[in-house]
Amino acid sequence: NAGVMQNPRHLVRRRGQEARLRCSPMKGHSHVYWYRQLPEEGLKFMVYLQKENIIDESGMPKERFSAEFPKEGPSILRIQQVVRGDSAAYFCASSPRLRDRNEKLFFGSGTQLSVL
Amino acid sequence: RKEVEQDPGPFNVPEGATVAFNCTYSNSASQSFFWYRQDCRKEPKLLMSVYSSGNEDGRFTAQLNRASQYISLLIRDSKLSDSATYLCVVNPSYSGGYQKVTFGIGTKLQVIP
Repeated sequence: NAGVMQNPRHLVRRRGQEARLRCSPMKGHSHVYWYRQLPEEGLKFMVYLQKENIIDESGMPKERFSAEFPKEGPSILRIQQVVRGDSAAYFCASSPRLRDRNEKLFFGSGTQLSVL
Repeated sequence: RKEVEQDPGPFNVPEGATVAFNCTYSNSASQSFFWYRQDCRKEPKLLMSVYSSGNEDGRFTAQLNRASQYISLLIRDSKLSDSATYLCVVNPSYSGGYQKVTFGIGTKLQVIP
């Protein structure tokens, strides 16, 4: 049973370019979360999605950032017109259909975005 | 006040020592609590959940104090492999059935030979 798969592991973009980060949840998991970790900071919640639905995007910057989790395929976090301040590690996590508030999150290995 | 506060450390301890970390949270309605471990900017991995009655897993003991709104992690007989950043994680409330957890900044532990 493969874990949460994120790609690419490392992504380098120049200012103004677009960045697309992909996340495939664990098999059987229908909940996907995106977190961002800036250097020397904790993980910050960005968005929570279920298949074809954005449930909570309260942590997403208002502009340039968007996320989707289509019926088929991975979840995508898209950052348009990247700036240097977007450089961070972006982690995706998934969980199964929740019955228990103590259900844990399974994290992918992250995408390190570097903006030149 | 931050939702979840931790001392970032670093805590430098010799092998074999006992070390304890605390973490405070601001939302008294918080429902669930966890300790995660993160190595060198890799993905966080669940170390243990924290229950009101306290729980132990080998050399690791976690405790929750709801009255004072803090959780703790105790590591006995520290190993070099315990060197990592320990993240305090709090689920602020039962958010409609999903895990909108809040992470602390993490406490860095360095175990020295």
